[in-house]
Amino acid sequence: EIVMTQSPVTLSASPGERATLSCRASQRIGTSVAWYQQKPGQAPRLLMKDESTRASGFPVRFSGSGSGTEFTLTISSLQSDDIATYYCQQYNDWPLTFGGGTKVEIK
Amino acid sequence: EVQLLESGGDLVQPGGSLRLSCAASGFAFSTHFLNWVRQAPGRGLEWVAGITPDSRKTFYSNSVKGRFSVSRDDSKSTLYLQLTSLGAEDTAVYYCTRGAGGQYLDYWGQGTLVTVSS
Repeated sequence: EIVMTQSPVTLSASPGERATLSCRASQRIGTSVAWYQQKPGQAPRLLMKDESTRASGFPVRFSGSGSGTEFTLTISSLQSDDIATYYCQQYNDWPLTFGGGTKVEIK
Repeated sequence: EVQLLESGGDLVQPGGSLRLSCAASGFAFSTHFLNWVRQAPGRGLEWVAGITPDSRKTFYSNSVKGRFSVSRDDSKSTLYLQLTSLGAEDTAVYYCTRGAGGQYLDYWGQGTLVTVSS
């Protein structure tokens, strides 16, 4: 199965700062990666699909990029509403697999 | 509006069984791939099982294969997950999710908690 590895485990940044979350796949998966945002006590919510397509309702400060095995979710200017855990997921092959998550905190 | 509402979570003894349900509304249920994803307390997300729109194929993670069974009733717009031979490692919130595109998960229910304990 394809292993997804996220880093860092926790990211602490000040409001307005840029936040960069990383996700590495154990093999090439093209652009078959999604990102999810999970706020405390809530279900996950699709944030990004097909590596770089933002889901409806998410502002332009969220962007995604990648290179086949290395993927990045960037929050250009961190806001207090962005406090959450972010998960990447690959859908290039079964079983679907998730990364362990990056918890974003406000400094 | 797409809605997924899980039910059936409970406290169950080790070795026991349980059936989870997910009632869907707001979309053409019969045309969508559906999945179950779980999250153990304080842990990350784990995909558990999926089923094709025509119920022809089902998919399972290695951790539940042979113990869990996914099914659907398109006439009731309801997805099911039958859990058997439960162990403490199955304690988690179980989410019903809709698959889309190549299989990202575009809608999630609020989850139902399964606790396996004596």
